[in-house]
Amino acid sequence: DAKTTQPPSMDCAEGRAANLPCNHSTISGNEYVYWYRQIHSQGPQYIIHGLKNNETNEMASLIITEDRKSSTLILPHATLRDTAVYYCIALHYNTDKLIFGTGTRLQVFP
Amino acid sequence: KAGVTQTPRYLIKTRGQQVTLSCSPISGHRSVSWYQQTPGQGLQFLFEYFSETQRNKGNFPGRFSGRQFSNSRSEMNVSTLELGDSALYLCASSLSDRGRNEQFFGPGTRLTVL
Repeated sequence: DAKTTQPPSMDCAEGRAANLPCNHSTISGNEYVYWYRQIHSQGPQYIIHGLKNNETNEMASLIITEDRKSSTLILPHATLRDTAVYYCIALHYNTDKLIFGTGTRLQVFP
Repeated sequence: KAGVTQTPRYLIKTRGQQVTLSCSPISGHRSVSWYQQTPGQGLQFLFEYFSETQRNKGNFPGRFSGRQFSNSRSEMNVSTLELGDSALYLCASSLSDRGRNEQFFGPGTRLTVL
């Protein structure tokens, strides 16, 4: 499983876009990029995933570089409720085994 | 649609005892995974079950075991509890037997070992 690297923490003003980077330079062609987040003391919550195309859903957008070595999760209009730890995970298509790193602690401030 | 449920939510045990935690996946989900979360080690994968078979296992000692029933409900057991087993134990279920679907996590069982 490819290792992912994320900044330990980021701040974002409420209403602004939060852009969370992730480096996965050793990702293989069989691995998807998944994003989850964990709000304090709750179970992780799925956000979005992609293989090589950019993806968007009601929560966020995922931008994957053409060489697939990095990606960015975008929360277009961050709210205080988006304060959480965000995990970027490279997941092989044939497994449900999530390998969580240390993630990025996003603090959204008023 | 009901989410993933875990019972009990909180548990206090003493060293040497054993404990069984239960997880009921979302209806129709056949894959169930277990994770341990501690402040020091973060979120770590324990094992994954699909159709009553263990498909993946993390790097945990044999004291940690699990099983899955025909209705996809799963249990995990920890024997001879140690202080370091104090953690939040999370269960997740997914629809497919492939890694291309989101996993839905339960609220967790917080185990305290005294």
